[in-house]
Amino acid sequence: DVKVTQSSRYLVKRTGEKVFLECVQDMDHENMFWYRQDPGLGLRLIYFSYDVKMKEKGDIPEGYSVSREKKERFSLILESASTNQTSMYLCASRAPSYEQYFGPGTRLTVT
Amino acid sequence: AQTVTQSQPEMSVQEAETVTLSCTYDTSESDYYLFWYKQPPSRQMILVIRQEAYKQQNATENRFSVNFQKAAKSFSLKISDSQLGDAAMYFCASPEVGNEKLTFGTGTRLTIIP
Repeated sequence: DVKVTQSSRYLVKRTGEKVFLECVQDMDHENMFWYRQDPGLGLRLIYFSYDVKMKEKGDIPEGYSVSREKKERFSLILESASTNQTSMYLCASRAPSYEQYFGPGTRLTVT
Repeated sequence: AQTVTQSQPEMSVQEAETVTLSCTYDTSESDYYLFWYKQPPSRQMILVIRQEAYKQQNATENRFSVNFQKAAKSFSLKISDSQLGDAAMYFCASPEVGNEKLTFGTGTRLTIIP
């Protein structure tokens, strides 16, 4: 069975803190994605990676960075968290047949 | 940028009835895949069904089927014999250029009435 895990289900951070969200997949997929989900806006792509150490900006990369040092792990970094980054963050990996498999999500609150 | 439109923010259906969720998209790809995802309350997003654009036949997975109209760029999801466990947000997704990324719609919240 396909499995994507995320390091935390819920996270509360203070404004200005550096935040790390980690995602691990066990399917040897090359492509991995970070999305942000907000009510009424659907899923918006922050960054994606198509190989180790390779990354591309999505639609809303401002305020975020990513790291992919190993194929199975894709990290999202908020360099200096702000209240407008309070959201649900979803990680996904993509199968060769193009469907994406999602992790359970991390609900981040920045106070 | 690609757009995916789900024009029904909320829908409800009686248990055991049939409901159709609509989706339109505007990909410029000629060969692509389309997807419907389900996100139950506080639970993980899961793939419901996928359609390959080059196939004429509409995809079916048990009680879930699609009505794919390629020329109209329409991709609706039909749920037959609705069950309480079908209550969820449903997202339609279509590919961006090169099929590398997906664009998601804003979702339809489906409520099942017992």
